[in-house]
Amino acid sequence: QQQVKQSPQSLIVQKGGISIINCAYENTAFDYFPWYQQFPGKGPALLIAIRPDVSEKKEGRFTISFNKSAKQFSLHIMDSQPGDSATYFCAASIKGGTASKLTFGTGTRLQVTL
Amino acid sequence: NAGVTQTPKFRILKIGQSMTLQCTQDMNHNYMYWYRQDPGMGLKLIYYSVGAGITDKGEVPNGYNVSRSTTEDFPLRLELAAPSQTSVYFCASSWGTGETGELFFGEGSRLTVL
Repeated sequence: QQQVKQSPQSLIVQKGGISIINCAYENTAFDYFPWYQQFPGKGPALLIAIRPDVSEKKEGRFTISFNKSAKQFSLHIMDSQPGDSATYFCAASIKGGTASKLTFGTGTRLQVTL
Repeated sequence: NAGVTQTPKFRILKIGQSMTLQCTQDMNHNYMYWYRQDPGMGLKLIYYSVGAGITDKGEVPNGYNVSRSTTEDFPLRLELAAPSQTSVYFCASSWGTGETGELFFGEGSRLTVL
């Protein structure tokens, strides 16, 4: 099973609030979990990534939490800003793959209001 | 650096017409990919290449063809356009795989088949 399930589909957060996006997977062969951020009219760009041997990774206001036993991972955006308004995709790739063949979630459209 | 460049940005095709989406990268990446993005569906891998002369199918290859004659270029060919191919197409490249496999995306090509 290659699927990565992402929720919610859309999210509205006030400026300064915490945005939380969740993803779940079934394939235990996945061993690399990046998050991509996409602004309207642009291609996705890597935001932050984690490996399953780490439970949490933080970069500035962005944190990935990883629960290997539950096969779930989430993105937390602290002190959300209007400039964070974008679509966020979780993704996963298989260990030892012949290329960086990512399986993407369906995306979450985040809107941060003033 | 230009990164990954896609042309055209927009195109309208009639059913049964053919066309080629162009993609070129100037980062000397060996790996290149074509994804399609549909609303609420995330990104799906169409084809990928691990180097010049080597291509392979992704998750949704039907109706498409690719070639990789140089490291820089990875065109995507639609032979007989169908309404189901209406989508936004993204070309991407990466230096490696897994943790070294950050995808660098172009800005996309929006294709409408009528």
